[in-house]
Amino acid sequence: DVKVTQSSRYLVKRTGEKVFLECVQDMDHENMFWYRQDPGLGLRLIYFSYDVKMKEKGDIPEGYSVSREKKERFSLILESASTNQTSMYLCASSPLWLAGGSSTDTQYFGPGTRLTVL
Amino acid sequence: AQSVSQHNHHVILSEAASLELGCNYSYGGTVNLFWYVQYPGQHLQLLLKYFSGDPLVKGIKGFEAEFIKSKFSFNLRKPSVQWSDTAEYFCAVNRSAEAAGNKLTFGGGTRVLVKP
Repeated sequence: DVKVTQSSRYLVKRTGEKVFLECVQDMDHENMFWYRQDPGLGLRLIYFSYDVKMKEKGDIPEGYSVSREKKERFSLILESASTNQTSMYLCASSPLWLAGGSSTDTQYFGPGTRLTVL
Repeated sequence: AQSVSQHNHHVILSEAASLELGCNYSYGGTVNLFWYVQYPGQHLQLLLKYFSGDPLVKGIKGFEAEFIKSKFSFNLRKPSVQWSDTAEYFCAVNRSAEAAGNKLTFGGGTRVLVKP
């Protein structure tokens, strides 16, 4: 079974703090993703990475950065947390391409980190 | 920009009723289509997906979805729901032509509540 784990389920931080969210996957997947999930907006892609040290901006990268030093680990960084970053953060991993019909060709999600910024 | 629309934000129905959730996307090229489900307190997990071939796709737990290319739609259906189908459902689209061919664009989600 694919396992994607996130370092915390719940996190409370103060405005201006630097926040690190960690994600680890055990399936040797090339791709890793960070999303935020907000009611009515679904999942919005913040950043993704298709290889170690490679990163690409998603749809809403402002206020975030990422780090991928090892294949299995993808970190999301909030340099200076703000209240509008209060959200549920989901990490996912996948094989490099999703164009096949295999049942494993999908993104696998972690349990999420609910971040509250006061 | 590509978008994915789910028409209903909330659906409430009784057990044994039929369920249909709408999903439309705006991209005109070749797409791969997914439905994910998130049960209360659980991870997002894949229900079913369409890559090619038969446009009627069967997934887990009795769900199916039909890809209608002319309507840019991928609606999810279940003939008879159970209380355990209470969850949030997300439609997602992957554009085959993208260089990093695995990005997903998600719809806003539909919360389904099945009353016993």
